[in-house]
Amino acid sequence: GAGVSQSPRYKVAKRGQDVALRCDPISGHVSLFWYQQALGQGPEFLTYFQNEAQLDKSGLPSDRFFAERPEGSVSTLKIQRTQQEDSAVYLCASSFVSYTGELFFGEGSRLTVL
Amino acid sequence: SQQGEEDPQALSIQEGENATMNCSYKTSINNLQWYRQNSGRGLVHLILIRSNEREKHSGRLRVTLDTSKKSSSLLITASRAADTASYFCATFDTGANSKLTFGKGITLSVRP
Repeated sequence: GAGVSQSPRYKVAKRGQDVALRCDPISGHVSLFWYQQALGQGPEFLTYFQNEAQLDKSGLPSDRFFAERPEGSVSTLKIQRTQQEDSAVYLCASSFVSYTGELFFGEGSRLTVL
Repeated sequence: SQQGEEDPQALSIQEGENATMNCSYKTSINNLQWYRQNSGRGLVHLILIRSNEREKHSGRLRVTLDTSKKSSSLLITASRAADTASYFCATFDTGANSKLTFGKGITLSVRP
């Protein structure tokens, strides 16, 4: 497609369940980012990939969060044993080549943990 | 952690008026970007200004950057109801592990 695609758009999980959020970046975009956005706040950086290499995962809040991009295209953010504080919108963004340039964002996946 | 701090936190204006939003940051930057987010949607890039630039225009948008004061402003001229959204400034700093860091955002309401 023309833009960054994320699925599911909405996910409700019971506390303790595992969830997987998918991101399809714009074709040919080398860089891929995951951000977490709490209600009323700005996006907070989680992790960054350049092709299949995860170059920065300093923003992942705990070892329950794991991201991968095995073939340098689609990425999955996995959250194990979800907690209520994980409730947020998870945004994926991609950019063509330049690490410092404009990011193209998907619509986000809204996770609600009950 | 969030670097940029936008000011004001919320702004309500009449259609046709100009909207000015300010952003301050703390570190040395490579560039500063402004994004818009409509409710329940993703972020849309508006404009990027590099650290060696002082002013940039794009349509009804004008952004300024003062690196000595570590601040930027976004001006939207002749606002429209469709400009109602949240606006975020974001910075790429010059550190080794730089990433795009966002502020908390400004909520702009444009009354028809």
